[in-house]
Amino acid sequence: DTGVSQNPRHKITKRGQNVTFRCDPISEHNRLYWYRQTLGQGPEFLTYFQNEAQLEKSRLLSDRFSAERPKGSFSTLEIQRTEQGDSAMYLCASSLAPDLNFNGYTFGSGTRLTVV
Amino acid sequence: GQQLNQSPQSMFIQEGEDVSMNCTSSSIFNTWLWYKQEPGEGPVLLIALYKAGELTSNGRLTAQFGITRKDSFLNISASIPSDVGIYFCAGSRGGAGNMLTFGGGTRLMVKP
Repeated sequence: DTGVSQNPRHKITKRGQNVTFRCDPISEHNRLYWYRQTLGQGPEFLTYFQNEAQLEKSRLLSDRFSAERPKGSFSTLEIQRTEQGDSAMYLCASSLAPDLNFNGYTFGSGTRLTVV
Repeated sequence: GQQLNQSPQSMFIQEGEDVSMNCTSSSIFNTWLWYKQEPGEGPVLLIALYKAGELTSNGRLTAQFGITRKDSFLNISASIPSDVGIYFCAGSRGGAGNMLTFGGGTRLMVKP
């Protein structure tokens, strides 16, 4: 098991372009989370899936953002019509639920998006 | 978005010194977690705390879940250069998704 894998690691895009990121969670994990981290801040929750169902979305997730996990395995996060304020590290994490004692998640290394 | 209040924001210490950082919230959390993040990587879990008053150690790291459930602290004893990184506290209220609310981080720098 190679942990949570995210691709690409870095993405530079022009304002107005669409971008898509991919996350491959730990294989037996049924929960998958997306967080966003801006420079100098802690991660902020965006959305999470249990299997293929998207169960919660943050108010941070504007209409330009969409996430999918079609087969309950990998997930994609798409940002349409990117804005400079979208520049951030996008972190994916996974966990196995239910768990008797919540033991946090395993995070991936993130995708750093720069919108120019 | 909401974040926990974490202090100090940064620390520059001599190798061998002990370090203490803390995290406070205006609301209650059921689980407190401490993560470390190194440049270009995602956060890595260090310690998880589940009960008010709980004191847990992981090697040179010790963390406590505050009695009011609104705070937590992390101590690192006898710091070494590889302790360098950003330390984040995070709280979970439980519930269906176990979403985490993070602090703003404490940047630790260790001088050999």
